[in-house]
Amino acid sequence: DAKTTQPNSMESNEEEPVHLPCNHSTISGTDYIHWYRQLPSQGPEYVIHGLTSNVNNRMASLAIAEDRKSSTLILHRATLRDAAVYYCIRDDKIIFGKGTRLHILP
Amino acid sequence: EAQVTQNPRYLITVTGKKLTVTCSQNMNHEYMSWYRQDPGLGLRQIYYSMNVEVTDKGDVPEGYKVSRKEKRNFPLILESPSPNQTSLYFCASSIRDFPLLEQFFGPGTRLTVL
Repeated sequence: DAKTTQPNSMESNEEEPVHLPCNHSTISGTDYIHWYRQLPSQGPEYVIHGLTSNVNNRMASLAIAEDRKSSTLILHRATLRDAAVYYCIRDDKIIFGKGTRLHILP
Repeated sequence: EAQVTQNPRYLITVTGKKLTVTCSQNMNHEYMSWYRQDPGLGLRQIYYSMNVEVTDKGDVPEGYKVSRKEKRNFPLILESPSPNQTSLYFCASSIRDFPLLEQFFGPGTRLTVL
């Protein structure tokens, strides 16, 4: 099964860190993990991707478990503009699924 | 500006009337793809193309056709649209398909089939 598993929704306060989990227990050693987000009324946008080690960019950090069966997208300081649906996908099978709807409380 | 464009953005049509949704990218990307998004089902891939004249089915290809005659364009064709094809459609492109790098998505086309 090439799917990933994410919580349906999460809530966080503005200006606090957010940790969005994703399980991908059947992933192979060569499959990348990608994260996208979809803001209201927009197409998805790329956030970050990684293979084994933790990754950082201007938008977020990606922490990948040592066994690669799970990963966590970290938004270091959430803003209201980060309210979106976040998708975790693996590149052996492009399945966006339903993602996690992130609510940010002011 | 690097972008993926789709036309039209909104379309209302009737059952059986052939239509084409265009997709164009200006980034010289090899990989292009079409998705549909429906409430409760997330995004599902319809077709993808790894390069000119190379296309393959995604998860929900029934009722759709595509062509890739030029690198920049990847039109989605509905030969005989039906109401169950009412959906929000997204085109996307990426510089390569393995490993799949950052996909750039278009703004979407909202299609209603009566």
